[in-house]
Amino acid sequence: DIQMTQSPSTLSASVGDRVTITCRASQTISSWLAWYQQKPGKAPKLLIYKASSLESGVPSRFSGSGSGTEFTLTISSLQPDDFATYYCQQYNSYPWTFGQGTKVEIK
Amino acid sequence: QVQLVQSGAEVKKAGASVKVSCKVSGYTLTELSMHWVRQAPGKGLEWMGGFDPEDGETIYAQKFQGRLTMTEDTSTDTAYMELSSLRSEDTAVYYCATERPAAGRGWFDPWGQGTLVSVSS
Repeated sequence: DIQMTQSPSTLSASVGDRVTITCRASQTISSWLAWYQQKPGKAPKLLIYKASSLESGVPSRFSGSGSGTEFTLTISSLQPDDFATYYCQQYNSYPWTFGQGTKVEIK
Repeated sequence: QVQLVQSGAEVKKAGASVKVSCKVSGYTLTELSMHWVRQAPGKGLEWMGGFDPEDGETIYAQKFQGRLTMTEDTSTDTAYMELSSLRSEDTAVYYCATERPAAGRGWFDPWGQGTLVSVSS
């Protein structure tokens, strides 16, 4: 199974900050990576697919990059609505696997 | 626009089975590839299995082999997830989540609202 490791596990930031979350795969997954945002009590919401493609309706302050084994999700200017937990997911091979999550907290 | 609506919360005894439904609207089930993902309390997301349209088969994560059955009723556009031999560690929110193969494979959009399954010993 491909292991996905996110860092950091928790991130404290202020409104307006630039935030970067890293996701590393235990083996190469090309660009077969998605990012999701999850708020408490809610289902995850798709942000990014194919490592860098922004889902329709998602604000442009979100961006994704990377290929192979190292990927990043960047929020260019953190907004109050962005405090949430973020997950990466690989779909290169079964079983599809998620990172353990990164919680973005208010500083 | 695809919408997924799941059945309500369940409380089960250890050793029992649970069957969760996921009703599709806005698309037909045959246009989608349905998957199931679970989340234990305070934990991360875990893919359980889903339909692979390229093979025409349902793929299950190995840890659930023999206990998990995913089925579909295309006449009602409803997908089902049945997990048997429940144990306390199966307590989780269970989500249906769909691919739209025409738009691309691998990412889930949208998700159902989740169904809490609580297993007591």
